[in-house]
Formats: sequence, structure tokens, C-alpha cells
Amino acid sequence: GENVEQHPSTLSVQEGDSAVIKCTYSDSASNYFPWYKQELGKRPQLIIDIRSNVGEKKDQRIAVTLNKTAKHFSLHITETQPEDSAVYFCAASSGGYQKVTFGIGTKLQVIP
Amino acid sequence: GAVVSQHPSRVICKSGTSVKIECRSLDFQATTMFWYRQFPKQSLMLMATSNEGSKATYEQGVEKDKFLINHASLTLSTLTVTSAHPEDSSFYICSVPGRQETQYFGPGTRLLVL
Repeated sequence: GENVEQHPSTLSVQEGDSAVIKCTYSDSASNYFPWYKQELGKRPQLIIDIRSNVGEKKDQRIAVTLNKTAKHFSLHITETQPEDSAVYFCAASSGGYQKVTFGIGTKLQVIP
Repeated sequence: GAVVSQHPSRVICKSGTSVKIECRSLDFQATTMFWYRQFPKQSLMLMATSNEGSKATYEQGVEKDKFLINHASLTLSTLTVTSAHPEDSSFYICSVPGRQETQYFGPGTRLLVL
């Protein structure tokens, strides 16, 4: 089955700096890579996703890159704000009604 | 996108009792739903795939006789934790797959077994 590794597990940045979270996956059949933000006690919220036919995607301060050959994908948050503080999960799926495998999560703390 | 609800939002029960958690897809027909468990400070771990009108598919290590799943309609799946023990205390979240691989998550159910 799929295995998703994520690092770092914790990340502290000063407000305004950038944050980068990296993930790798094992199953070459995976073709959909969502990123979720989860606040304490809440459901995961999709913040951005990328499909295997795309190398990079950007949405305002958030960007995701995918290197399908190396099976790496990364989340980049620029101009971080205190409200970005949360746990971020990367995930991988082979699409359709297939299950999603999550990374272990990264606790991001943005220091004002 | 789909609206997914869960009930109850939190439940406290005594050890040895059974607890039923409902997951409803309010505006989207769901032939498949997923059930996840999340322990404190850990990731979401898939427990099982709930299939409308047929048996659920359980992940390795998840006891199907302990975690009973029923998906009797296109809008409702239930997870029953039988003979709950303190180690079953966790955050249980369901999700409904939508169009283009999107997953719509329920708000989660916090279970505490005393």
C-alpha cells in the first residue's frame, strides 16, 4: 500500500517568513496530492491540491510543487501570518473513490 | 461541495458499552464513505471503507467485529464501537469522496471511554 512520509513534524517561523513542508510517497499509482490544514478539534480543511499531470500550483500565499519522478511534493506558504498556525497534513491518493493516505502532520507555529 | 455531518459531536461512555456514530451526506449521494480515527497529536488513520449495500472493507489491524459499519442508504453510514475500552478513546472522522478526488470530511466525533 501507499506510504507517505512528511517532515518536519514541527516548524516555527517568524511572522512574514516562509514555511516549507515536504512529503514523499511510495506508490507510483498515486496521482492526487491534497494538503489539509487542521485546527485543534476540527475537521481537516483542504487548502490546495495537485494532480500528477501538473508540476506546480499556486493559490495566493500557498503553493505546491510535485516531482513525480522523485515522488516528492512540497507545500510552500509565503508571508506567514499567526492564523496560519495549525497542523498541516500532506496526503496521496490514486484518485476516484480510492482511499487517501495521510502523512504524519506538521505542526506549524507562526510567531508574531 | 458536499456537506457532511456527524452525530454525536462528542460522547462519553463507560467501558464495555457500545457507541454508535452516524455520518450523513446531506446533499450528495455517497456509495462510498471512509472512516478515520485520529489519536491526539497523530495523523488520520483510515479504519475502513463503507460501501452502500455491501460489506465494509477494513484496513489491516482493524477488528471488523469491534468496529461495526453499516451503510444502509446513500446518505448514511454508521460506525458502532462495540464493547468500548479506554484505548478506543479517539477522534473519529468520516469522509465522503466527491468529484475529482475531493474528500469532504465530517466534523468528527470525540469519543471518551471511561
